[in-house]
Amino acid sequence: DQQVKQNSPSLSVQEGRISILNCDYTNSMFDYFLWYKKYPAEGPTFLISISSIKDKNEDGRFTVFLNKSAKHLSLHIVPSQPGDSAVYFCAAGETFTSGTYKYIFGTGTRLKVLA
Amino acid sequence: DGGITQSPKYLFRKEGQNVTLSCEQNLNHDAMYWYRQDPGQGLRLIYYSQIVNDFQKGDIAEGYSVSREKKESFPLTVTSAQKNPTAFYLCATRLAGTDTQYFGPGTRLTVL
Repeated sequence: DQQVKQNSPSLSVQEGRISILNCDYTNSMFDYFLWYKKYPAEGPTFLISISSIKDKNEDGRFTVFLNKSAKHLSLHIVPSQPGDSAVYFCAAGETFTSGTYKYIFGTGTRLKVLA
Repeated sequence: DGGITQSPKYLFRKEGQNVTLSCEQNLNHDAMYWYRQDPGQGLRLIYYSQIVNDFQKGDIAEGYSVSREKKESFPLTVTSAQKNPTAFYLCATRLAGTDTQYFGPGTRLTVL
């Protein structure tokens, strides 16, 4: 039972256009969401995050939108650049009463930005 | 130079041998995590530790063991009981009181 889903395994976008990567989740207890970018054989790099009390967070070319009622978040990259080509993972974080903090990751979306 | 170190980058072992993957950090982060990534799959949590001398099983802990004797170090042992150990292993850390997790460069383990 996958709590965090990225239903599009791949996405191709023309350079300069907007890239929209989507992520759906099922657990309403998640209180923090993150996006990571990953190249093959490397560790994921943190991109941007959003708390469950917000609906938008922006950092340069990257904007994350959160729709709690739909349990959906999206990452917008504008304008897309060839260097953005990578696999993007969304992750959801949950704090437990014990104080522990766990993350659940989606399966990733491979973005290809065409020059 | 601050960061998370995982060594070696590539590791080969024969089937039936235990192998220990190293994860060291000098970020003074409290929590540490181990994940594995398989082709076409997301990152799956193996073990995590919030503080020294304490750790919890993640979603796929069977066949793995960890220790957290020092804040800086969280080694992962892949035992012979792990049925499919070949994968890309990632270590991550998080500072207490924050929500962001940071990853090391990963170790690719191949069991022959």
